[in-house]
Amino acid sequence: NAGVTQTPKFRVLKTGQSMTLLCAQDMNHEYMYWYRQDPGMGLRLIHYSVGEGTTAKGEVPDGYNVSRLKKQNFLLGLESAAPSQTSVYFCASSFRTNTYEQYFGPGTRLTVT
Amino acid sequence: AQSVAQPEDQVNVAEGNPLTVKCTYSVSGNPYLFWYVQYPNRGLQFLLKYITGDNLVKGSYGFEAEFNKSQTSFHLKKPSALVSDSALYFCAVRAYNQGGKLIFGQGTELSVKP
Repeated sequence: NAGVTQTPKFRVLKTGQSMTLLCAQDMNHEYMYWYRQDPGMGLRLIHYSVGEGTTAKGEVPDGYNVSRLKKQNFLLGLESAAPSQTSVYFCASSFRTNTYEQYFGPGTRLTVT
Repeated sequence: AQSVAQPEDQVNVAEGNPLTVKCTYSVSGNPYLFWYVQYPNRGLQFLLKYITGDNLVKGSYGFEAEFNKSQTSFHLKKPSALVSDSALYFCAVRAYNQGGKLIFGQGTELSVKP
């Protein structure tokens, strides 16, 4: 049982480049989330998914796209990276009920130059 | 609007002393409250949660938290701190919208010195 895994762990992009972050969970969770962590700001929700084939915007969705083609995977895409997207990205997953905790992946540290 | 505040950016404690990391929240309705810990260059690990019932909640690694509805607080506590407890601690409340996202405080850096 690996929990929540993320690839890659680190990445450096130039402005305008694109990339995809992959999140996978093996806990059969319905809900999945992408957060970004910036110093002094806690974590903020980028996009989320309440089930296979469905996605929705969070607090800070601009510049990102997501897809959830399989229940266990949640992809985060940056079409044209900007320096403001330099951050640490965390994927999380949870069962449907709000009383259940979210499980987090180890994070992806992205630098955009 | 739902929000969480952690009024202290940093808490310093001597090993063996009790520790408290403060958290206050603002929600309409019943709050579902969580504490997470983040070690350097790692993801967030779940410590404990309050859903309903006893106001004192016990969690992992000897941590506990006290829910106080009148003061809208959910402070994290440990009777005897360890150097290995040094980490970044986040309080969070589960939102009623956006897929039940977690709304986080800004985090409190706990430093336990020998």
